[in-house]
Amino acid sequence: EAGVAQSPRYKIIEKRQSVAFWCNPISGHATLYWYQQILGQGPKLLIQFQNNGVVDDSQLPKDRFSAERLKGVDSTLKIQPAKLEDSAVYLCASSSKLGTEALYSPLHFGNGTRLTVT
Amino acid sequence: GQNIDQPTEMTATEGAIVQINCTYQTSGFNGLFWYQQHAGEAPTFLSYNVLDGLEEKGRFSSFLSRSKGYSYLLLKELQMKDSASYLCAVSHTGGAGNNRKLIWGLGTSLAVNP
Repeated sequence: EAGVAQSPRYKIIEKRQSVAFWCNPISGHATLYWYQQILGQGPKLLIQFQNNGVVDDSQLPKDRFSAERLKGVDSTLKIQPAKLEDSAVYLCASSSKLGTEALYSPLHFGNGTRLTVT
Repeated sequence: GQNIDQPTEMTATEGAIVQINCTYQTSGFNGLFWYQQHAGEAPTFLSYNVLDGLEEKGRFSSFLSRSKGYSYLLLKELQMKDSASYLCAVSHTGGAGNNRKLIWGLGTSLAVNP
């Protein structure tokens, strides 16, 4: 099966500019996650979708970050305006499971978008 | 609160065995994952433990003790390509309904030397 697709692979922007990332999960995967991974750290969950609904966005900085998954398939994550501390890899992951099965199913990650804010 | 600890860095020799430990504190435990992440790449799933004991998959094994809040990943017959970061992640039911929350460790960077 095709993996999780993300674009762009790399992005360099200046602070206060805007940027958007795109993710296409594995076909049929209902659950989609956006993670932020700063160099040398583990992934930090930004937002979790189940189909087109938000399940968890408690760690999303809503004053500057937004995400949508309008048709329950692909998703976009936007940062506006960007700050220096937003420099990180933004990982998209998907899972085929819902409900209790989601508790133990592994995540399938895309290769990420490496964002550098100067 | 929820917390995961794992060593920051480890070094081992090609052909040897290495054990990467992970300790955790969480409520509503629903299993522990190990992921491997090569530099510049996405994490890939290695193992999942929800019951106590050892799970073996080829050169990799993972152990869990729920009473001790402890897990380890054992890598045998180390190869150069095993140089990567190893992430421990704990699944717990911290959200509404059956929503799974994952807590991630900071990762252990393993360097395998010839």
